[in-house]
Amino acid sequence: DAKTTQPPSMDCAEGRAANLPCNHSTISGNEYVYWYRQIHSQGPQYIIHGLKNNETNEMASLIITEDRKSSTLILPHATLRDTAVYYCDLSSGGGADGLTFGKGTHLIIQP
Amino acid sequence: DGGITQSPKYLFRKEGQNVTLSCEQNLNHDAMYWYRQDPGQGLRLIYYSQIVNDFQKGDIAEGYSVSREKKESFPLTVTSAQKNPTAFYLCASSESGVGRGNYGYTFGSGTRLTVV
Repeated sequence: DAKTTQPPSMDCAEGRAANLPCNHSTISGNEYVYWYRQIHSQGPQYIIHGLKNNETNEMASLIITEDRKSSTLILPHATLRDTAVYYCDLSSGGGADGLTFGKGTHLIIQP
Repeated sequence: DGGITQSPKYLFRKEGQNVTLSCEQNLNHDAMYWYRQDPGQGLRLIYYSQIVNDFQKGDIAEGYSVSREKKESFPLTVTSAQKNPTAFYLCASSESGVGRGNYGYTFGSGTRLTVV
């Protein structure tokens, strides 16, 4: 079974904030939440990750609920170049416990 | 700039042939990974290596082989034993073999392999 659940697709108007949800109700204590995005036929691009505190970087913000069972990736001012498939995944480290990705959310930014 | 280079971008293989996909990184990362991605699907781990001269099978290693003779290089060979090799192959690396560096996993741009 997939470790995370995401909506298959979302639309967002250009210039508005895009909020992408992810459910991970079976997350274990040592698992980080990772977000990546993938533009068609390219390699995934790292966006952000966190354990339990909210995180922000130059690309996005990550909000993790207090019980850690869900999270939201926020792209504050979406542009057309943000159209991609966004993956939420869990990992406690590398090796065999590496990323697997699910089917992700296809985010479409509308002009 | 540091990164991961995969080559070639497109590769065509005839039935019964072995082909080797190249993956080189200059990030000084200890760990390297090979994933396979099929259309509309997530990533499946083929092999990973956390240190030079050592590697481990992932979930779908049958029909594939790897080597890790240098820290920078982790080539993947798709052998004739792999019955359904047509897919998008991604190489990744991470710091310290635990994927907890500030930038998580770094991926290459991928190799699309097609059997003809």
